Amino acid sequence: NAGVMQNPRHLVRRRGQEARLRCSPMKGHSHVYWYRQLPEEGLKFMVYLQKENIIDESGMPKERFSAEFPKEGPSILRIQQVVRGDSAAYFCASSPSTSYYNEQFFGPGTRLTVL
Amino acid sequence: AQKITQTQPGMFVQEKEAVTLDCTYDTSDPSYGLFWYKQPSSGEMIFLIYQGSYDQQNATEGRYSLNFQKARKSANLVISASQLGDSAMYFCAMREIQGAQKLVFGQGTRLTINP
Repeated sequence: NAGVMQNPRHLVRRRGQEARLRCSPMKGHSHVYWYRQLPEEGLKFMVYLQKENIIDESGMPKERFSAEFPKEGPSILRIQQVVRGDSAAYFCASSPSTSYYNEQFFGPGTRLTVL
Repeated sequence: AQKITQTQPGMFVQEKEAVTLDCTYDTSDPSYGLFWYKQPSSGEMIFLIYQGSYDQQNATEGRYSLNFQKARKSANLVISASQLGDSAMYFCAMREIQGAQKLVFGQGTRLTINP
């Protein structure tokens, strides 16, 4: 059973370009969470999605950031017009349910560098 | 609001010694889960151990145990017989039953095991 997959693992963008980060949850998991980790900090929640629905986007910046989890295919975190402050590691996690006792399984992360 | 506090930015321990990593939390929800994750230098997030708010006994997983003191709202991670491979960042996190059940992370503790 493959774990959570994220690609690309490393992404370099120039200021003003778009970044697309992909996440395929574990098989059978329909709950996807995106987190951002700035250097030397803990992970911060960004958005929680189920298939075709955004459930909670309270951690998403109001502008330039969007996320989707279509019926078919991976979840996508999209950052438009990237700025240097967007440089971070972006982690996707999946869970079989929303029960508080279920762990979230993390992908390896995408390291975004904005030049 | 959820809050996780890890007061030890860095810890240095001799190999084979036991080490305790501190974590305190704040929540008004009676149902919650507490998690510890390890992040080695390679960057992935590795789940270590879980403690539920209603669990009567402290959780144990191999060399990892969780010292859960509910009244004090603390959930310290204990690593017995430390090994060089334990050198990593360690994050305490909490997940509540309400809302999106997102994980809220502490700032982390960087553990270094000396030979």
